[in-house]
Amino acid sequence: DAGVIQSPRHEVTEMGQEVTLRCKPISGHNSLFWYRQTMMRGLELLIYFNNNVPIDDSGMPEDRFSAKMPNASFSTLKIQPSEPRDSAVYFCASSPTGYRGSNQPQHFGDGTRLSIL
Amino acid sequence: AQTVTQSQPEMSVQEAETVTLSCTYDTSESDYYLFWYKQPPSRQMILVIRQEAYKQQNATENRFSVNFQKAAKSFSLKISDSQLGDAAMYFCAYRSQGGSEKLVFGKGTKLTVNP
Repeated sequence: DAGVIQSPRHEVTEMGQEVTLRCKPISGHNSLFWYRQTMMRGLELLIYFNNNVPIDDSGMPEDRFSAKMPNASFSTLKIQPSEPRDSAVYFCASSPTGYRGSNQPQHFGDGTRLSIL
Repeated sequence: AQTVTQSQPEMSVQEAETVTLSCTYDTSESDYYLFWYKQPPSRQMILVIRQEAYKQQNATENRFSVNFQKAAKSFSLKISDSQLGDAAMYFCAYRSQGGSEKLVFGKGTKLTVNP
């Protein structure tokens, strides 16, 4: 089975530009997560969806960040305008959870390394 | 809010030896899940092992095992017969059973395996 697919793998852009990161979860997984990894703050959840509905967006840093999940097989994380402090590795993960009590682990994509100059 | 602490930023072990990575967490919940993830230089996040808090028996996966001490809120990872391919960052993570599905991660431990 294909794992979680993220694109692009690397992105380098200038500050002020719009950045769109993409994720395709594992088929059949109904929960999708966006995490950000930095040296200073480690791995932090930005937002997660269950059945395409945003459930917890408390980690989204500010209005410059937005995420959508238009269908069960696709999600985007958009930064507009981008700033140098947004440079990080962004991970997408999915799991078959969606109900309480499940111990199913989250499966991670390979991440997008984002560099804002 | 739950927190996860990994007090060892770096550890090293000789090939074929055993090493233990520490993890403590803080929570007021009684039911939850704990995980160890491995992140090699390739950047992938790979699940190593998981533990349900309601299970008293420690989880094992081949050379990997945990020492889960619920009262002490401790969840250490033991790697036996260490191999060069075990070199990676190791992250301990917590997830609520009844609340948010998000993973709360520790800052990680960098494991070096010496030949």
